[in-house]
Amino acid sequence: KNEVEQSPQNLTAQEGEFITINCSYSVGISALHWLQQHPGGGIVSLFMLSSGKKKHGRLIATINIQEKHSSLHITASHPRDSAVYICAVRLLSGGATNKLIFGTGTLLAVQP
Amino acid sequence: DTGVSQNPRHKITKRGQNVTFRCDPISEHNRLYWYRQTLGQGPEFLTYFQNEAQLEKSRLLSDRFSAERPKGSFSTLEIQRTEQGDSAMYLCASSTLNTEAFFGQGTRLTVV
Repeated sequence: KNEVEQSPQNLTAQEGEFITINCSYSVGISALHWLQQHPGGGIVSLFMLSSGKKKHGRLIATINIQEKHSSLHITASHPRDSAVYICAVRLLSGGATNKLIFGTGTLLAVQP
Repeated sequence: DTGVSQNPRHKITKRGQNVTFRCDPISEHNRLYWYRQTLGQGPEFLTYFQNEAQLEKSRLLSDRFSAERPKGSFSTLEIQRTEQGDSAMYLCASSTLNTEAFFGQGTRLTVV
């Protein structure tokens, strides 16, 4: 079982819909990241959070440390939001490295 | 500073050849990470540098792989005697102690 699980693996939505992507993890973490990856490979960091909720434009990320669960929400989705969304965690026991452990990603397609 | 830069963006090589990739991190970032991503999977940690010191290497990094970060600035990742299983996206990321990681665009390696 992966330490970081995402659901759904694939998601198709109509433009304007509210989208939720979920991430569950099984290890102690010091931080959780939501990342966006477009075709071609480049990864962009959307959020880094260790508690509560963060909002940036139409994107909202929440985390529940007790339940080891995080969600990424996209409001008023648009075709340009189409990408792979990846959840990654920084282990609490990661020592000095602070390396990230990644989920397999959620492929989002927003249709006009 | 335009962010993390990786070169080349794409590399096609014949099996058995050696390849070298370069990563230029954000200038004030002392931490540098290499990750590998195969199709449909999330990135996996390969190695970590703090300044010029290589402090952690994954078991994924076989003896055909070597990474350096002379002078604590740019880093190179070399793969010797490439195999078809080495085909992947190689991602570089940099950060400071408690900041989010900034990723490069990646180098896509295809071994034929």
